[in-house]
Amino acid sequence: AQSVTQLGSHVSVSEGALVLLRCNYSSSVPPYLFWYVQYPNQGLQLLLKYTSAATLVKGINGFEAEFKKSETSFHLTKPSAHMSDAAEYFCAVRLPLSGGYNKLIFGAGTRLAVHP
Amino acid sequence: GAVVSQHPSRVICKSGTSVKIECRSLDFQATTMFWYRQFPKQSLMLMATSNEGSKATYEQGVEKDKFLINHASLTLSTLTVTSAHPEDSSFYICSAQPPGTYNEQFFGPGTRLTVL
Repeated sequence: AQSVTQLGSHVSVSEGALVLLRCNYSSSVPPYLFWYVQYPNQGLQLLLKYTSAATLVKGINGFEAEFKKSETSFHLTKPSAHMSDAAEYFCAVRLPLSGGYNKLIFGAGTRLAVHP
Repeated sequence: GAVVSQHPSRVICKSGTSVKIECRSLDFQATTMFWYRQFPKQSLMLMATSNEGSKATYEQGVEKDKFLINHASLTLSTLTVTSAHPEDSSFYICSAQPPGTYNEQFFGPGTRLTVL
């Protein structure tokens, strides 16, 4: 069964500091993994995705994530936080279904706060 | 490309009335659309999967008669909340998956429903 665990519902960093948001997954099939960002009262924007190619995935806004099969992890990082990075971040794993489409199973989310 | 819109962005209604929310894929055809519900400070909960021209598939615990979904064309899906009650107040988000892409869903900006 597919599931996602995001460790830490709230993360607070200083501007310019490293951002690390943790995501561990469980999947009965080779996983496709996603990180989304949500700003207040908005929908979700895809940051990056892992689809079985390179294990280090680079996304938008300077974010990247590394797929580690041995650790069943897909942690999101950014070397230097900006104030504009403050948002809710969701990790998700794909659940493929018959008919050629897939469901996304979301983690509980991590709220990132960036302070001056 | 891959833009999904929702209308309205906000709606306030009286208890007992029905509310329709539209989800449109603006620059691609979506054979599959998804409807999610998000409570404050929580993750997205998949309500149903909508395939063009067929009945929607509802997740366990979601009332089919309460949340009517219609996917009449490849660019439009609608969610109707029938006889709305205050407990239906929530943020509703749709997403759309283009045919042939097994990986990615594109999300709309969400609709904030408040039932008085």
